Amino acid sequence: GESVGLHLPTLSVQEGDNSIINCAYSNSASDYFIWYKQESGKGPQFIIDIRSNMDKRQGQRVTVLLNKTVKHLSLQIAATQPGDSAVYFCAERTGGGNKLTFGTGTQLKVEL
Amino acid sequence: DTAVSQTPKYLVTQMGNDKSIKCEQNLGHDTMYWYKQDSKKFLKIMFSYNNKELIINETVPNRFSPKSPDKAHLNLHINSLELGDSAVYFCASSQGQSLGEQYFGPGTRLTVT
Repeated sequence: GESVGLHLPTLSVQEGDNSIINCAYSNSASDYFIWYKQESGKGPQFIIDIRSNMDKRQGQRVTVLLNKTVKHLSLQIAATQPGDSAVYFCAERTGGGNKLTFGTGTQLKVEL
Repeated sequence: DTAVSQTPKYLVTQMGNDKSIKCEQNLGHDTMYWYKQDSKKFLKIMFSYNNKELIINETVPNRFSPKSPDKAHLNLHINSLELGDSAVYFCASSQGQSLGEQYFGPGTRLTVT
């Protein structure tokens, strides 16, 4: 998702449906990518990561897909639950020292 | 058993004041970071220390000075606070500078009036 104006892009899904959150990254030399979840009033929490030599990685209910050709990253959440409601950030490692550059975030809202 | 902790959680102060935010991690990590999150939720790295040595120093006003007394602590001191410094500041830590997740603290909401 891309940031437009003052509002985070928002994805609304029904409970039980699958969610797909997209991210366009900027640096073709980035070698590592992470998805973070941030609930209201809390710090970002690690969800899943992927190295640039992979195109897919699966975790518990989550899958990350990496398309280096178009510099696109996606996070798929299976059977979305109310507890998944949060802001989701992608981050890329753009240089030495484990420097992460974060995307603008996507607000996921799960409707009952 | 908090992994990364920050104090205070909330900080309200007036323009021109000097304030500090403290961060401690009990994960045994050797790399720590400070991030700033603005009102639009944009999260940007400010500083990173590895074994008390500054390794990342983004374009941040020199009113901001990080200090790492040991590898478990990274404090952020801010001089002459300005309205634009109002934000949520997050501390994070990781093991080394190689690939791996960064663990974030709960954040400090700074409001400058």
